[in-house]
Amino acid sequence: SQTIHQWPATLVQPVGSPLSLECTVEGTSNPNLYWYRQAAGRGLQLLFYSVGIGQISSEVPQNLSASRPQDRQFILSSKKLLLSDSGFYLCAWANDWNTEAFFGQGTRLTVV
Amino acid sequence: GQQVMQIPQYQHVQEGEDFTTYCNSSTTLSNIQWYKQRPGGHPVFLIQLVKSGEVKKQKRLTFQFGEAKKNSSLHITATQTTDVGTYFCAGPGYGGSQGNLIFGKGTKLSVKP
Repeated sequence: SQTIHQWPATLVQPVGSPLSLECTVEGTSNPNLYWYRQAAGRGLQLLFYSVGIGQISSEVPQNLSASRPQDRQFILSSKKLLLSDSGFYLCAWANDWNTEAFFGQGTRLTVV
Repeated sequence: GQQVMQIPQYQHVQEGEDFTTYCNSSTTLSNIQWYKQRPGGHPVFLIQLVKSGEVKKQKRLTFQFGEAKKNSSLHITATQTTDVGTYFCAGPGYGGSQGNLIFGKGTKLSVKP
């Protein structure tokens, strides 16, 4: 069966520090991968999605970037965090662009 | 760009009352998906509707896909405290957004015992 791992669960980082969140999927190949951000009490904002290795589409221009170095690995990064980067970051995968998505447990990031 | 809109944003009900959330897409969708996110948790897939006019039931939950495949609704009969959470609809992106999964902003349901 397929599983998705996302870590860490919580993170407190100072303003200006770098960020690296990792997400891996097991039990499937060539999944669509997604990074979403959810501000407190708000909806899901799509940040990046990827349909294959090295293919990244950005939905919102900002100081975040994403990479997909391996088929089932999706990384969200920042060189310098801003206070406004605080939020709940969710990684998700889907078999295809037209099918349901499965979410990781999420990372709650607080930038102080 | 392609948008998925959801109303209401919040709904407070007394336990036992019914609840409905509505979803509207700016474009025709090949399918509509519904997710539930419990407080502090991550979204969990509930159901996918594909056919025009499709109606599906899961116990007290009834999901409907509009004839034009641009709108959908989720109706909960006789809410319980376990129904608390945020309900999201989502549809696949098209054209420049293909590969994307576009979510509505969600309806946050609170149930008073």
